[in-house]
Amino acid sequence: ELKVEQNPLFLSMQEGKNYTIYCNYSTTSDRLYWYRQDPGKSLESLFVLLSNGAVKQEGRLMASLDTKARLSTLHITAAVHDLSATYFCAVDSGRGSTLGRLYFGRGTQLTVWP
Amino acid sequence: DGGITQSPKYLFRKEGQNVTLSCEQNLNHDAMYWYRQDPGQGLRLIYYSQIVNDFQKGDIAEGYSVSREKKESFPLTVTSAQKNPTAFYLCASKGTPGLAGLVQFFGPGTRLTVL
Repeated sequence: ELKVEQNPLFLSMQEGKNYTIYCNYSTTSDRLYWYRQDPGKSLESLFVLLSNGAVKQEGRLMASLDTKARLSTLHITAAVHDLSATYFCAVDSGRGSTLGRLYFGRGTQLTVWP
Repeated sequence: DGGITQSPKYLFRKEGQNVTLSCEQNLNHDAMYWYRQDPGQGLRLIYYSQIVNDFQKGDIAEGYSVSREKKESFPLTVTSAQKNPTAFYLCASKGTPGLAGLVQFFGPGTRLTVL
């Protein structure tokens, strides 16, 4: 079974600071996803990473994937309050054109304070 | 508007009662999924279906049942055999062709509480 570990699970950071969330997974995969969840709400897709060395950026968030190390990072630059949410990484067991299923990490609860 | 709808938004169940959660999508997606989320936890897969009239158990299928008679619908029944069903239930779907087909899109969720 594919295992996904995120750390930290809780992150409290001051506005304007930088920080990185880490996502490690246990077996080979070429598809990794980052989602955001606001309290009481559903999940919103942030990034899809499909190959080794893939980097995606949206605003103050940047995600990267190292398939050899089985590691993805979500870097937060100059945090603002609106980024407060829970962030999940998920790894797809599918390969190529084969449909798989997602394995989720436990999530990182981010709180940004003034 | 294309999307995934779940109903009801809130559901209360008495002990020993079966309840059915609805999930409908008009995205023409082949694959549909049901997840359970407990407070402070990640998502755990209950059942998934990659094609009409076919579905597979996920990691925590005991006490749940599903059907997939139509492409756009994937209802989840929480049976009385599920001893601790209080949780947030999320339905998702995914298409097959192209890059966009790789992403699972999630519905708004149903919050189930056992009284």
